[in-house]
Amino acid sequence: KAGVTQTPRYLIKTRGQQVTLSCSPISGHRSVSWYQQTPGQGLQFLFEYFSETQRNKGNFPGRFSGRQFSNSRSEMNVSTLELGDSALYLCASMGQDRAGELFFGEGSRLTVL
Amino acid sequence: EDQVTQSPEALRLQEGESSSLNCSYTVSGLRGLFWYRQDPGKGPEFLFTLYSAGEEKEKERLKATLTKKESFLHITAPKPEDSATYLCAVRGYGQNFVFGPGTRLSVLP
Repeated sequence: KAGVTQTPRYLIKTRGQQVTLSCSPISGHRSVSWYQQTPGQGLQFLFEYFSETQRNKGNFPGRFSGRQFSNSRSEMNVSTLELGDSALYLCASMGQDRAGELFFGEGSRLTVL
Repeated sequence: EDQVTQSPEALRLQEGESSSLNCSYTVSGLRGLFWYRQDPGKGPEFLFTLYSAGEEKEKERLKATLTKKESFLHITAPKPEDSATYLCAVRGYGQNFVFGPGTRLSVLP
């Protein structure tokens, strides 16, 4: 069973640019969540999508947005990049267990110069 | 507000030296407590889910336990390949997952 796939794995952007990251969840999983991970802040929740609808949203500015397609694949977009957006962006799909454990992809490492 | 703290921040062990990692939490109604392992530059790898106080789960050299306020990850006779950051997370009935800062474990040969 294939795991969560994220692309691209690494990318470098400059301030003011925008970036789009992609995530394909585990087959059959309908919930996809996005997290930002930095050394200082740890794992911070961005948003969760379920069946193409945003179900939860973390405390991030509107520059961070996402969407989910009918095949459960998801994208997140960050506009007007700032230096502080440099981070590992992780996508997770939620299992069917009663507590809904998360299965993470390898992440997209974004560097903003 | 749901919160998770982990201690110690970092831990160095000799190969074979058993120890425990702590995860303390506050949550309004626990749906699950989760342990993950994360290697540098990679995504967290799911280890365990614990649902209620008194529950225990084991996997190879790892054993996770849960009380009403904290969880422990016991590592028995660790090997260098157990070196990683171990993350604890909770999910309450408010839906969102809250992650702790992690414990960075180094096992020296």
